[in-house]
Amino acid sequence: SQQGEEDPQALSIQEGENATMNCSYKTSINNLQWYRQNSGRGLVHLILIRSNEREKHSGRLRVTLDTSKKSSSLLITASRAADTASYFCATAPQGGSEKLVFGKGTKLTVNP
Amino acid sequence: GAGVSQSPSNKVTEKGKDVELRCDPISGHTALYWYRQSLGQGLEFLIYFQGNSAPDKSGLPSDRFSAERTGGSVSTLTIQRTQQEDSAVYLCASSLLPGGGYTFGSGTRLTVV
Repeated sequence: SQQGEEDPQALSIQEGENATMNCSYKTSINNLQWYRQNSGRGLVHLILIRSNEREKHSGRLRVTLDTSKKSSSLLITASRAADTASYFCATAPQGGSEKLVFGKGTKLTVNP
Repeated sequence: GAGVSQSPSNKVTEKGKDVELRCDPISGHTALYWYRQSLGQGLEFLIYFQGNSAPDKSGLPSDRFSAERTGGSVSTLTIQRTQQEDSAVYLCASSLLPGGGYTFGSGTRLTVV
């Protein structure tokens, strides 16, 4: 079953603009992770934020987590054409389940 | 190895045939996961191996699907009597610790004709 739901399903922006993607989930979590997927093949891990963290940065990426609202956002600043990909959030549910549960993803297109 | 290796990268098979998909995880990663992704969809969990513990098979869609992990390293996912609905990209991932960041392989694109 899907735990995370990304919003929007698709996003198209111009190079240099910021891109914001949101993820909502249903159950308590240990951590939440964001992944990028190019061309429908392997996913690349971007960032992990723990349930006791509220914000995390990595280069042009900024992730926030609001456990009271069960939501997270991924912000990509100063986007580039190479950022074009699908972005997935994944949650590590609390309570012993150690497998990540992925959402359906946001397809981001950055136009040059 | 340096990354997670999956083979074959593409597989076309006839309906009713059996297929084996292979995953070679990162050396030292104790956790290994299989997911599948249908066109334009999210990832569907299939099975999870952690060390010497019994695998979590809760995501396997039918008894035609099975997987094993030999020696705590290489894993094989077997699909018997393949059906057209089995067509998908099968992704393997490993992680150093359960619940931590995954490293994914490039996947096996399975097409059942």
